[in-house]
Amino acid sequence: KQEVTQIPAALSVPEGENLVLNCSFTDSAIYNLQWFRQDPGKGLTSLLLIQSSQREQTSGRLNASLDKSSGRSTLYIAASQPGDSATYLCAVGPRSGTYKYIFGTGTRLKVLA
Amino acid sequence: DVKVTQSSRYLVKRTGEKVFLECVQDMDHENMFWYRQDPGLGLRLIYFSYDVKMKEKGDIPEGYSVSREKKERFSLILESASTNQTSMYLCASSSRLAGGTQYFGPGTRLLVL
Repeated sequence: KQEVTQIPAALSVPEGENLVLNCSFTDSAIYNLQWFRQDPGKGLTSLLLIQSSQREQTSGRLNASLDKSSGRSTLYIAASQPGDSATYLCAVGPRSGTYKYIFGTGTRLKVLA
Repeated sequence: DVKVTQSSRYLVKRTGEKVFLECVQDMDHENMFWYRQDPGLGLRLIYFSYDVKMKEKGDIPEGYSVSREKKERFSLILESASTNQTSMYLCASSSRLAGGTQYFGPGTRLLVL
């Protein structure tokens, strides 16, 4: 059974720091992996989607990498800003393509001004 | 831009009431999902649908049913609401052609008294 873990659960950094959020999964047979952002009391906003054949995706200050063999993905945020404060979740899609995503419980990020 | 809307942001119901949560997407997506999100438990899949009138149980379907009569609309029904169904409910949609990117609605926070 696929399990997705995000460590740490919470993180505080000063503004301007580059930071890395981690996502680990137990079964490497995945279809894709998606990173989301969630602001308090709101829905999830898709940040990046990496297909199983890709190693990384970039969008602005965000870069997500995928290493299936080690069961890991990282989300790199460059030059962090207070507006980046949110909970970041990763979700793994299984190889069967049923689109049943398994979500991690998220990392709550606070960027201090 | 993909838009997923949910009928209510906040809802207060009494135990035993029948509750309808509506979700509409405007991008002609084949797949639609209902999740609930609880602190410490993350997102858990209740039901998903891959076509009109087609549905599959997720991880926690007990106490819920769904209806998809039109492609753009996916309804979640709580036949007899109970206090343990107090939660944040999130709807999502995705297209098979888009490689599985999930787009989420703003969520409905349901309180059952």
